[in-house]
Amino acid sequence: QVQLQESGPGLVKPSETLSLTCTVSGGSISNYYWSWIRQPAGKGLEWIGRFYTSGSTNYNPSLKSRVTMSVDTSKNQFSLNLSSVSAADTAVYYCARAAVNTADFDYWGQGTLVTVSS
Amino acid sequence: ETVLTQSPGTLSLSPGERVTLSCRASQSVSSSYLDWYQQKPGQAPRLLIYGASSRATGIPDRFSGSGSGTDFTLTISRLEPEDFAVYYCQQYDNSPQTFGQGTKLEIK
Repeated sequence: QVQLQESGPGLVKPSETLSLTCTVSGGSISNYYWSWIRQPAGKGLEWIGRFYTSGSTNYNPSLKSRVTMSVDTSKNQFSLNLSSVSAADTAVYYCARAAVNTADFDYWGQGTLVTVSS
Repeated sequence: ETVLTQSPGTLSLSPGERVTLSCRASQSVSSSYLDWYQQKPGQAPRLLIYGASSRATGIPDRFSGSGSGTDFTLTISRLEPEDFAVYYCQQYDNSPQTFGQGTKLEIK
């Protein structure tokens, strides 16, 4: 059974960089699209971006200037960096998997709350 | 970007009732690229329907999806207690992929 687990600091200061890692177990990280999605408290879902293990990436234009995603296939992990954060970036951050050429998210992490505050 | 508008925002219903949720897109979306998710409090979303009408693995047949173009629906034929949750539609035909704002089903 594939499992995803997000990890990273729960508190980030304004203007700093939010860094999260998603560890994939029970399956290979290869040959899938891996996305980050976030959800502010009481609000809807926002897709941040995705990458494929070949190295190709797609980012939401609203966040593109601040987002970087990367992968460590040896550890079955992928990461999100979001720079210059503000209170508006406070949210639960999810990692999720989709099959190639789809965005049907069939596996999700449990989510991790990141609060931006000084 | 493609805006997905879900209606109604909240529905109060009783177990056993039938319900239809609406998702309207600001521009045409291929039915192949329209999904529905269920989210319960404190949990990640769960894929219910992909390609507008195909049930994901393990999803009961009381859930069905339909639609094309700009209008899509999710129907639950007989509400079970575990179905009270928030439902989101999502499209990935037009970049960036987007989600609707959600419809909350609450117990009456």
